[in-house]
Amino acid sequence: EVQLVESGGGLVQQGGSLRLSCEVSGLSVSNNYMSWVRQAPGKGLEWVSVIYTGGTTYYADSVRGRFSISRDNSKNILYLQMNSLRADDTAVYYCVDHYCSRGSCHFDFWGQGTLVTVSS
Amino acid sequence: SYVLTQPPSVSVAPGKTATITCGGNNIGSKSVHWYQKKPGQAPLLVSYYDSDRPSGIPERFSGSNSGNTATLTISRVEAGDEADYYCQVWEINSDYPVFGGGTKLTVL
Repeated sequence: EVQLVESGGGLVQQGGSLRLSCEVSGLSVSNNYMSWVRQAPGKGLEWVSVIYTGGTTYYADSVRGRFSISRDNSKNILYLQMNSLRADDTAVYYCVDHYCSRGSCHFDFWGQGTLVTVSS
Repeated sequence: SYVLTQPPSVSVAPGKTATITCGGNNIGSKSVHWYQKKPGQAPLLVSYYDSDRPSGIPERFSGSNSGNTATLTISRVEAGDEADYYCQVWEINSDYPVFGGGTKLTVL
């Protein structure tokens, strides 16, 4: 059974930092594309960042230069380091893996999410 | 970047058919995936690769994609189908995925 369990969310002041963790079981973070997706209160789903199997990373324009995605293959954990946090980063953050086939990828298994609240 | 456009809301009576659209430039050439999102829950994949249905998703959910519009159709709508629905595309040869803005389905 695949499980993704996020942690590390909480209340932080604007300009502060947080590191989210996602403990994964049932699949290997090093052998799968892994992403962070967020949903701000009353808003839609927003992709944040991805790390590919080879280690290449990409970021949404809204977080590039402030957030950093990484993984610990030995512990099978995905991370999201969030710096220079802003009020509009307030959201539930989901850890997600991908399934790719037929030239396209979709989000497969999701964690339960962790809430990040940035106070201004 | 590629933009996906969804209507903000769709309303339907129980037992009727709901149609949720997702517009994008030549979206018919891409694979479209659909997610159901209920408050307090993680998103659930309800349709993928345009018209495939994941295991456990009722046959009432069906997808299609052609031209500039992809469509999620929910037949015989039930109260439990009330949720936000998001379309998504991600071509392997592009850098990152894109979500539509979401459609709130209200069951009257």
